[in-house]
Amino acid sequence: QKEVEQNSGPLSVPEGAIASLNCTYSDRGSQSFFWYRQYSGKSPELIMFIYSNGDKEDGRFTAQLNKASQYVSLLIRDSQPSDSATYLCAVQMGTLTFGKGTMLLVSP
Amino acid sequence: GAVVSQHPSRVICKSGTSVKIECRSLDFQATTMFWYRQFPKQSLMLMATSNEGSKATYEQGVEKDKFLINHASLTLSTLTVTSAHPEDSSFYICSARDLRQGADFGGQPQHFGDGTRLSIL
Repeated sequence: QKEVEQNSGPLSVPEGAIASLNCTYSDRGSQSFFWYRQYSGKSPELIMFIYSNGDKEDGRFTAQLNKASQYVSLLIRDSQPSDSATYLCAVQMGTLTFGKGTMLLVSP
Repeated sequence: GAVVSQHPSRVICKSGTSVKIECRSLDFQATTMFWYRQFPKQSLMLMATSNEGSKATYEQGVEKDKFLINHASLTLSTLTVTSAHPEDSSFYICSARDLRQGADFGGQPQHFGDGTRLSIL
């Protein structure tokens, strides 16, 4: 069964710190990886997508992909209280498969 | 770009009612749209893939006669929950893939509508 695993958290970080969110996936043939942010009661919002091994940066966000280890991560620099949300990792394995999400709490 | 509009945002109705949810891609064409369901504190579960001009593809365990999908144009897909019961109460979310983004091999990002919170009394 194709799976995407995330630590449910909550991950608590102080304002200004770096938040590191991790995700592993089971299908070695996966090529497309996505990070979504979901506020409580709202639908997911795309933050980043990454296809190649290495890092991809967009503002305060950096996605990291290691296909050999079947691992993808999201770093949030200078975390803000407004970043407090559930972060969903999604992997294209035929259909798009979502992890259960990691709740991030950024304290002022 | 890549805006997906979903309507209505909330529905409260009696058991046995049929409920129709609309999903529109506003600034791009979407030959394929996706319908998800999310229960509290759970992840998104794909229900079906909606294909413009052809039948939807349903995931295992999803009743196609219960959840009717119509994708009559390149910008509109509808999900009708027929004879809804309390166990159908959930957060229903549609998404569409913007083929203008991403890589040639596919896997373009999906963009989500705002979701419909369905409560069946």
